[in-house]
Amino acid sequence: QKEVEQNSGPLSVPEGAIASLNCTYSDRGSQSFFWYRQYSGKSPELIMFIYSNGDKEDGRFTAQLNKASQYVSLLIRDSQPSDSATYLCAVNERSGAGSYQLTFGKGTKLSVIP
Amino acid sequence: KAGVTQTPRYLIKTRGQQVTLSCSPISGHRSVSWYQQTPGQGLQFLFEYFSETQRNKGNFPGRFSGRQFSNSRSEMNVSTLELGDSALYLCASSLLAVYNEQFFGPGTRLTVL
Repeated sequence: QKEVEQNSGPLSVPEGAIASLNCTYSDRGSQSFFWYRQYSGKSPELIMFIYSNGDKEDGRFTAQLNKASQYVSLLIRDSQPSDSATYLCAVNERSGAGSYQLTFGKGTKLSVIP
Repeated sequence: KAGVTQTPRYLIKTRGQQVTLSCSPISGHRSVSWYQQTPGQGLQFLFEYFSETQRNKGNFPGRFSGRQFSNSRSEMNVSTLELGDSALYLCASSLLAVYNEQFFGPGTRLTVL
């Protein structure tokens, strides 16, 4: 059973701090990695994707990927109350011969305290 | 560019009934995936369609089925509804494959009484 693991939280950080969200995955053949943000009652919104080892920055967000450790993380700099949401890690994992599916972690709930 | 649309947004059904949900992907996207989201299980993959063919299927019973039309619009059907089918059903589209970025629709909230 392919798995994507995240700490469920809640993770509380003060406004202006760096929030660090972590995710581990089980399938070494995974090729693409995504972070989604989901506000309560809304659908997931794609905020970052990363395909190669290393860091990828987009505004206040940085995604980090370490395939050897099967680990992907999301850093949110200068956290704002509007960043309070559940963050879902998603990994494309093999589900059969030549086929892939996107497997989601159960999400980490982030709360940014003003 | 218009996003992914899903209809209806809310549905209330009773046990034993069947339901059909509809999804229109982003223009030009050919892959459509369906997910079930519940508080306990999180987001779980149902199936993926590409060029009118089911390309991949998750671990759900045969009561859950779907199809895709030539314009990439997709429907999913749940027959003989059970209480446990109450969930948010999400559709996501991507350009060609699930390893491309997937964009979600607003979802259909299904309540089974």
